[in-house]
Amino acid sequence: AQSVTQPDIHITVSEGASLELRCNYSYGATPYLFWYVQSPGQGLQLLLKYFSGDTLVQGIKGFEAEFKRSQSSFNLRKPSVHWSDAAEYFCAVGETGGFKTIFGAGTRLFVKA
Amino acid sequence: DAGITQSPRHKVTETGTPVTLRCHQTENHRYMYWYRQDPGHGLRLIHYSYGVKDTDKGEVSDGYSVSRSKTEDFLLTLESATSSQTSVYFCAISAPSGLYNEQFFGPGTRLTVL
Repeated sequence: AQSVTQPDIHITVSEGASLELRCNYSYGATPYLFWYVQSPGQGLQLLLKYFSGDTLVQGIKGFEAEFKRSQSSFNLRKPSVHWSDAAEYFCAVGETGGFKTIFGAGTRLFVKA
Repeated sequence: DAGITQSPRHKVTETGTPVTLRCHQTENHRYMYWYRQDPGHGLRLIHYSYGVKDTDKGEVSDGYSVSRSKTEDFLLTLESATSSQTSVYFCAISAPSGLYNEQFFGPGTRLTVL
């Protein structure tokens, strides 16, 4: 069965510092991968997605993620974090040819001044 | 933003009472989902619908039922609420394009069962 692991429950970074959030997945076929962000009291918003092609994908708000098949990873990065990036981030894998999505447990990002 | 609303946004109820949460969409998307969000668990799928009157169970469906009589509405019912069902509930919709599935989420309903 497919699964998603986000090893870090929470991360704290300084404003202006770089960020990397880790995500590992388990899926037998070519995965469809997503990163969502959830601000406090809000629903989830899609940051970026990977289906095929270039393994480095660009998203909204200056985020990018890199798909590494050999490591079963899809890590999220941002070169310079802003205080407004403080939120919870969810990695997810979608069924190939299906319509269900499996979410990781989430990583909460704290940004300090 | 996708047109998804959830009602109520907050609800406090007592153990043993029935509760119905409503999800309404204006996007005419075929697929609709109910998730619950709990600390340390991310989002877990309760039930989903792939068309009017077509629904199926997700991974945490015990104690929940759903109905979809119209494309735009997906109802989640807790027949007899328990404290373990205290959670934040999210509705999502999708219109799979090709083989993949991007979901759009509603604002959530915070349910407290006393």
